[in-house]
Amino acid sequence: DADVTQTPRNRITKTGKRIMLECSQTKGHDRMYWYRQDPGLGLRLIYYSFDVKDINKGEISDGYSVSRQAQAKFSLSLESAIPNQTALYFCATGRENEQFFGPGTRLTVL
Amino acid sequence: GESVGLHLPTLSVQEGDNSIINCAYSNSASDYFIWYKQESGKGPQFIIDIRSNMDKRQGQRVTVLLNKTVKHLSLQIAATQPGDSAVYFCAETPHDYKLSFGAGTTVTVRA
Repeated sequence: DADVTQTPRNRITKTGKRIMLECSQTKGHDRMYWYRQDPGLGLRLIYYSFDVKDINKGEISDGYSVSRQAQAKFSLSLESAIPNQTALYFCATGRENEQFFGPGTRLTVL
Repeated sequence: GESVGLHLPTLSVQEGDNSIINCAYSNSASDYFIWYKQESGKGPQFIIDIRSNMDKRQGQRVTVLLNKTVKHLSLQIAATQPGDSAVYFCAETPHDYKLSFGAGTTVTVRA
């Protein structure tokens, strides 16, 4: 969905490096989410935010942090990347119970 | 724990046939369900949704069936086309604006 953009689209990094994944949306939605996707496991919620002043942990928040810089921007950080954080990461925005996903960021941690 | 899951990880369908993708959920508090389609290299895209006060909803070539008695959800795709090849996810929520996703079913359409 072009209304939700993620940068970078692909990233290869080394163990111990700090990584930031960025998400921007033009939908005007208050709710934003970060998920990771691993083969055979579907999407798992890392963090979510219902407005600029609201940040909540999802089911797999350990090793991650987020920042909601504005209504339109929600970034995900890995303070010290480790190989098992290699995955596909998706940002999403929410309207009612429906969510709209970005194109994803493929992260590889060596 | 409570979870959403799909019965089969893969489904191979002949072009033109109907596809049925199944999903079981266990959160009895869930009252809203969504099917998403994820094509290779893209994020999940909304296909169709259904609320718990309904047992069937139809869209364009797709139908979602909900059986609350056995906590079962299915997606039917009529006259499956090559463009329907993708991974399909069911998701559910008890209206707390968080979705729980199943593991996905990979649908492959044979020409």
